[in-house]
Amino acid sequence: GQNIDQPTEMTATEGAIVQINCTYQTSGFNGLFWYQQHAGEAPTFLSYNVLDGLEEKGRFSSFLSRSKGYSYLLLKELQMKDSASYLCAAMDSNYQLIWGAGTKLIIKP
Amino acid sequence: DAMVIQNPRYQVTQFGKPVTLSCSQTLNHNVMYWYQQKSSQAPKLLFHYYDKDFNNEADTPDNFQSRRPNTSFCFLDIRSPGLGDAAMYLCATRKGSGSTDTQYFGPGTRLTVL
Repeated sequence: GQNIDQPTEMTATEGAIVQINCTYQTSGFNGLFWYQQHAGEAPTFLSYNVLDGLEEKGRFSSFLSRSKGYSYLLLKELQMKDSASYLCAAMDSNYQLIWGAGTKLIIKP
Repeated sequence: DAMVIQNPRYQVTQFGKPVTLSCSQTLNHNVMYWYQQKSSQAPKLLFHYYDKDFNNEADTPDNFQSRRPNTSFCFLDIRSPGLGDAAMYLCATRKGSGSTDTQYFGPGTRLTVL
């Protein structure tokens, strides 16, 4: 079956670095997306990886290892506004997104 | 600005009273999706359209119907809402079905069933 696993909740300190891991199993693979979702709001796109390696975009970076079925989202210089859920989603062979339940990130001062 | 719009943002209905949620987009994207998302859960795909081709997920309840009268608009009809249908309903669009384009989400409609 198709499955996405990511931690339910993480806590970090303002100004620090946090890494949110995601493992996936899909029928075919057309890339890995990360979305940010603030409470009560819609998901917003953060990053897309389809090749192995690290993609850096400002304070956020995303990594993919296709052979391991593994990705992580790295957030640097954490700010209070980064408190949100981070959703990992893998695109299968039918170009449909298989979603994780999200990792709730709590930032403490 | 090109965007995905959902109305209303908050909808309250009574148990068993039909309700319609709407979504419109100015992105001219071919693909439109309806998701249901409950608290701390992954978005659950209900339907998607590629142009007018309708695709129903196997586990979407019969209580849920959808219409896409044109490229810009898509509607979600819940014929007889139950308490378990209270959730956030998300509309999303994507440029093409055979590509890895990003899905863009509207702000969502939060449905409360009394």
